[in-house]
Amino acid sequence: EAQVTQNPRYLITVTGKKLTVTCSQNMNHEYMSWYRQDPGLGLRQIYYSMNVEVTDKGDVPEGYKVSRKEKRNFPLILESPSPNQTSLYFCASSSHRQGSYEQYFGPGTRLTVT
Amino acid sequence: AQSVSQHNHHVILSEAASLELGCNYSYGGTVNLFWYVQYPGQHLQLLLKYFSGDPLVKGIKGFEAEFIKSKFSFNLRKPSVQWSDTAEYFCAVSLTTGGGNKLTFGTGTQLKVEL
Repeated sequence: EAQVTQNPRYLITVTGKKLTVTCSQNMNHEYMSWYRQDPGLGLRQIYYSMNVEVTDKGDVPEGYKVSRKEKRNFPLILESPSPNQTSLYFCASSSHRQGSYEQYFGPGTRLTVT
Repeated sequence: AQSVSQHNHHVILSEAASLELGCNYSYGGTVNLFWYVQYPGQHLQLLLKYFSGDPLVKGIKGFEAEFIKSKFSFNLRKPSVQWSDTAEYFCAVSLTTGGGNKLTFGTGTQLKVEL
């Protein structure tokens, strides 16, 4: 089954404790992206990757890092989480080849930083 | 940079009522347009998309949307809503250039359908 998976689905942590949220897709998509969803703000892009070893900032990159060492994986790293990073995070992927730019979303990770 | 406006933040309808959710975007070039739906506790799912051709697009579950280029709009419609349509709806825009994969979302419309 074609899908985007994220882990963990729920995470409660404390300020300053480094964490990683994993994202993996099995569709051989070139493009992957991270979004955060906050009430009243919709989804905002954090980082994206056009292909392996190619990443770039989205609209709200501060406090986040990413890496793309393999095509299928795109982890999101919070080096020193803060309470304002409490949010619902979605990973997404799409293919350049299809030309349709339809993005497939993961199930989401609800992060709480205390 | 492109932006997307969804003017209705909360909509409450009775079952069988007709639905129209507004979406306007600001970008002068060629765009791809999407409507996504998020059911409670679930991830985003694609309802429908427009890239080119017929400006009236039909999606899943009886939804449709009309692209009006002169108004920079892509409104979502359904003739008769069901209780199961209760969800949050997001309009999104991407460019058809090399940055074509970047989606810019509206702030969402929370739809509640009452029995």
